[in-house]
Amino acid sequence: DAGVTQSPTHLIKTRGQQVTLRCSPKSGHDTVSWYQQALGQGPQFIFQYYEEEERQRGNFPDRFSGHQFPNYSSELNVNALLLGDSALYLCASSRWEGKNTEAFFGQGTRLTVV
Amino acid sequence: AQSVTQLGSHVSVSEGALVLLRCNYSSSVPPYLFWYVQYPNQGLQLLLKYTSAATLVKGINGFEAEFKKSETSFHLTKPSAHMSDAAEYFCAVSESRGAQKLVFGQGTRLTINP
Repeated sequence: DAGVTQSPTHLIKTRGQQVTLRCSPKSGHDTVSWYQQALGQGPQFIFQYYEEEERQRGNFPDRFSGHQFPNYSSELNVNALLLGDSALYLCASSRWEGKNTEAFFGQGTRLTVV
Repeated sequence: AQSVTQLGSHVSVSEGALVLLRCNYSSSVPPYLFWYVQYPNQGLQLLLKYTSAATLVKGINGFEAEFKKSETSFHLTKPSAHMSDAAEYFCAVSESRGAQKLVFGQGTRLTINP
């Protein structure tokens, strides 16, 4: 089992550009959540996708958008990049099992905006 | 809204000593609580979780945590620290059953001295 895989592992973008990050969930998982982890901070919830729809959203601007595909993989898009968007972006996948639901995290994508 | 406060951004202990990482939460509903570990350049790995069953929860790598409702705490302990325990530790609370939308604390960096 490959677990949660994210790509790319690192990338550098220029302020104002757009970026797309990708996530493949753990086998058998149908829910994907995205988190932003700024340097020295805890992860912050961006949004969650289930059945190809955004189900929950954190306190992030509309510049952050996403998509989930029929195979449950997901993309995170960020438009009009700001220097403050530099962070580690983590993807977590899960499958609903009531109180035993567990989120499995990928290794993250390190985004640097210059 | 739920929140988590981790007391101490940096904890340093000697190898073989007791590890105690503090976490206090705020929640308007019975919480689901988690401890995750993050090694350098890695994603998050679940150490243990509290889901309203036993208040003393045992996790991986010899860690355990005790849920104390009266103190709104969920402190993480390990009787004897090992060099391999050096990492960043995050406490998190879920707004719903299971690890859906997670709210993380700021993290505590654990250093082990030989």
